[in-house]
Amino acid sequence: KQEVTQIPAALSVPEGENLVLNCSFTDSAIYNLQWFRQDPGKGLTSLLLIQSSQREQTSGRLNASLDKSSGRSTLYIAASQPGDSATYLCAVAGGSYIPTFGRGTSLIVHP
Amino acid sequence: DTAVSQTPKYLVTQMGNDKSIKCEQNLGHDTMYWYKQDSKKFLKIMFSYNNKELIINETVPNRFSPKSPDKAHLNLHINSLELGDSAVYFCASSQEGPQNEKLFFGSGTQLSVL
Repeated sequence: KQEVTQIPAALSVPEGENLVLNCSFTDSAIYNLQWFRQDPGKGLTSLLLIQSSQREQTSGRLNASLDKSSGRSTLYIAASQPGDSATYLCAVAGGSYIPTFGRGTSLIVHP
Repeated sequence: DTAVSQTPKYLVTQMGNDKSIKCEQNLGHDTMYWYKQDSKKFLKIMFSYNNKELIINETVPNRFSPKSPDKAHLNLHINSLELGDSAVYFCASSQEGPQNEKLFFGSGTQLSVL
């Protein structure tokens, strides 16, 4: 059974810092990994999707990497802004094709 | 246009009642899902459904049942509601399972059972 762990659980940083959020998974036989953002009281928005054959994906200030063999992914946020404050979740799709979620990292970026 | 829409946004009901949550996607996706987010914000899969297969998480009580009138809709029916059913329920969709495509979520239904 796939288990997904996210570290840290919470993070508070001043504006402008570069951040790294971590996601680890126990079963390396995955099809893809997605990073999502969830704002309070809202649904999830997909930020980046990395297929199992890829090593990284980039979108604007976000960069996600995938090391399938070690069961790890990182989400790098450059030059953080208060608008980046949200919960970030990673989800791994394996043999059943159904994404399994981690518990998320709650990020606060203060001015 | 909202890609994945679910109604109602809030649902308050008494224990023992039967209720439904509706979900519609206009993305032409083949697969739809229901997730439950508990009070600690942990998202757990309940069902995955496409034209060919319904996959049920074994931990989901049989009081919960998905109903799909067509490819664009996957409704969630809950019988004999219990206090522990209080949570936020999210509908989602993807194309041909999530091997290659992003997962799109609705905005959630907050269910409160009194």
